[in-house]
Amino acid sequence: SQTIHQWPATLVQPVGSPLSLECTVEGTSNPNLYWYRQAAGRGLQLLFYSVGIGQISSEVPQNLSASRPQDRQFILSSKKLLLSDSGFYLCAWSSSGYNEQFFGPGTRLTVL
Amino acid sequence: LAKTTQPISMDSYEGQEVNITCSHNNIATNDYITWYQQFPSQGPRFIIQGYKTKVTNEVASLFIPADRKSSTLSLPRVSLSDTAVYYCLVGDPSNAGNNRKLIWGLGTSLAVNP
Repeated sequence: SQTIHQWPATLVQPVGSPLSLECTVEGTSNPNLYWYRQAAGRGLQLLFYSVGIGQISSEVPQNLSASRPQDRQFILSSKKLLLSDSGFYLCAWSSSGYNEQFFGPGTRLTVL
Repeated sequence: LAKTTQPISMDSYEGQEVNITCSHNNIATNDYITWYQQFPSQGPRFIIQGYKTKVTNEVASLFIPADRKSSTLSLPRVSLSDTAVYYCLVGDPSNAGNNRKLIWGLGTSLAVNP
C-alpha cells in the first residue's frame, strides 16, 4: 500500500530564517506530487506541482521554491521566511492529474 | 480559472440526509467533479468523483445534471463524525491531462448536531 510522509509535524521559525520541508511517498512509482498551503479558515492554495523528477511547476510567485531530487521525494524550501508564510503545509500525491490526491499529515509552520 | 460556488456552512442532525450543492458554470467539457472532506489539522480526504449523471460509493452519492453546471453531494444518515469541511472541486480549464490542477475554494463547513 502507498503511504506519504511529511516532516516535521510542527515548526516555529523566526522571520528571515530558512525553511526546508520534506515529503516522501512509498509504494508507488512516478507519482504526481503537490505542495499546498492552507491559511487558517481558508481553502488550499496550490504552491507547486511536479509530474516527474526535476519537473516543477510554480503556481504562486513568492519566496518559496520546490525541488524533486528523487522520484518519490518532494522538498519545499525558502531562503528567508516571511510572516505571511505561516500556515498549514500539505504534500499530496496522485497517480495522474485525474485521479484522487492522497494527502500527508501536514506541517504546521508558524513564523514569528 | 475554474471556480466553484458552494454554501459556506450547513447545519444538520444525526441520522438526516445532507445534500450540498455546488455550482461550476465554466467546467471544462472533459473534466470531472471531485469532492473532498477535511477534518481540522488534517489533509483533505477524497470522497467521490464523477463526470455525469449519478455516482455512488460506500460513503456518498454524487448527482450531476446533464448540463454539468452544478453537482450535489449527498451524505446519507450523517453522524457526528461527519462534521467537517467539504470541498467541491473542478480542474483549471487551462491545464488538462496529467497537468490537471484542482482549484480549491473555501468549502462548506458542515456541523452535525446530536
